[in-house]
Amino acid sequence: QSVLTQPPSASGTPGQRVTISCSGSSSNIGSNSVYWYQQLPGTAPKLLIYRNDQRPSGVPDRFSGSKSGTSASLAISGLRSEDEADYHCASWDDSLRGWVFGGGTKLTVL
Amino acid sequence: EVQLVESGGALVQPGGSLRLSCAASGFTFTKFALTWVRQAPGKGLEWISTITGSGGATYYAQAIKGRFTISRDNSRNTLYLQLNSLRAEDTAIYYCSKGQMNSPYYFTDYWGQGTPVTVSS
Repeated sequence: QSVLTQPPSASGTPGQRVTISCSGSSSNIGSNSVYWYQQLPGTAPKLLIYRNDQRPSGVPDRFSGSKSGTSASLAISGLRSEDEADYHCASWDDSLRGWVFGGGTKLTVL
Repeated sequence: EVQLVESGGALVQPGGSLRLSCAASGFTFTKFALTWVRQAPGKGLEWISTITGSGGATYYAQAIKGRFTISRDNSRNTLYLQLNSLRAEDTAIYYCSKGQMNSPYYFTDYWGQGTPVTVSS
């Protein structure tokens, strides 16, 4: 059971916009930044969004992050087949004094 | 170019021990916190431990506290994770990752390819 809650799966067609949610509490998302990682099949996670809505250099602006209260979202616009991957959210938890993850969302491009 | 290369993963019996290593290059090693994250087969990511640049502060997940020890050798640009009293539920790929800053409150930006640990008799 993960501390942060993500839907186990999401899907969309090429060109579509999809969003993935990440729900937490006041001790994690409510008071700390959210990070998003993309994990392509058989590979290590890659940083996609840091500090809620910042994109590292090299990440396309099709990817965007937002946070409101104790929830965060990752939006992917102009969906492409290569976006098919697992997406993970993470945040520091003040009560646990450590980082917590969501269970991951498997995105399928139909 | 930042590179993180883990090694040391193996098949080990329950109750056994293992030391994982992560050789780093492409950045000023002492200026960044480093983190271990694991992923059990078919499961999500789980934070294990973080160590600051000097090694002076360490942070552990409750699930492994007292059994795992994180350390770093700044003269060798290498991160370690000592795993003791291993259990079947410790079976996972263990990833080494570099922090964005020298602080546990900024998470990671680069990850290694991972090293597999299997705990089974």
